[in-house]
Amino acid sequence: KQEVTQIPAALSVPEGENLVLNCSFTDSAIYNLQWFRQDPGKGLTSLLLIQSSQREQTSGRLNASLDKSSGRSTLYIAASQPGDSATYLCAVRADSWGKLQFGAGTQVVVTP
Amino acid sequence: DTEVTQTPKHLVMGMTNKKSLKCEQHMGHRAMYWYKQKAKKPPELMFVYSYEKLSINESVPSRFSPECPNSSLLNLHLHALQPEDSALYLCASRPVGEGQVMGYTFGSGTRLTVV
Repeated sequence: KQEVTQIPAALSVPEGENLVLNCSFTDSAIYNLQWFRQDPGKGLTSLLLIQSSQREQTSGRLNASLDKSSGRSTLYIAASQPGDSATYLCAVRADSWGKLQFGAGTQVVVTP
Repeated sequence: DTEVTQTPKHLVMGMTNKKSLKCEQHMGHRAMYWYKQKAKKPPELMFVYSYEKLSINESVPSRFSPECPNSSLLNLHLHALQPEDSALYLCASRPVGEGQVMGYTFGSGTRLTVV
């Protein structure tokens, strides 16, 4: 059974610092990996999607890498801002039906 | 239109009530999903619909009844719920076939409270 782990569970940084969020998964047979952002009580906003054949994806200040063989993905957020405060979830798609297996999330607080 | 729209945003219901959650998308996605998320926990899959047919039921109690009347609409009918069913219910959709690179789009959720 696929298990997804996110470390750290919580992170607090001053504004301007770079954020590094880690995600690991136990079974390398994945279709893709998707990073989401969730604000309190809200739905999930997709940030980046990395296909299993890709090594990284970039969007603005966000960069996500994927090392499928070692079962790891890292989300980098450059020059953090207070508006980046949220919970970040990684999710692995491991079957043909598209079922997502989520990590528990990293709660990020960026202080002004 | 690149959104998944869920209504209502908040719902309070008694244990004897019958209510429905609605999810709508007009992106042409042929896979639609219901997820349940308890506080401080990640989302957990409940149901998968593919081409309007129920493909996966993750052993969800029968008091939750999904319905997909057409390719744009997904409903979740609720009956005789328990207080422990209180959660954020998330709908999501995904293209199948040629558009698989796009991944999931989630709605903003329905916050359900059972009293």
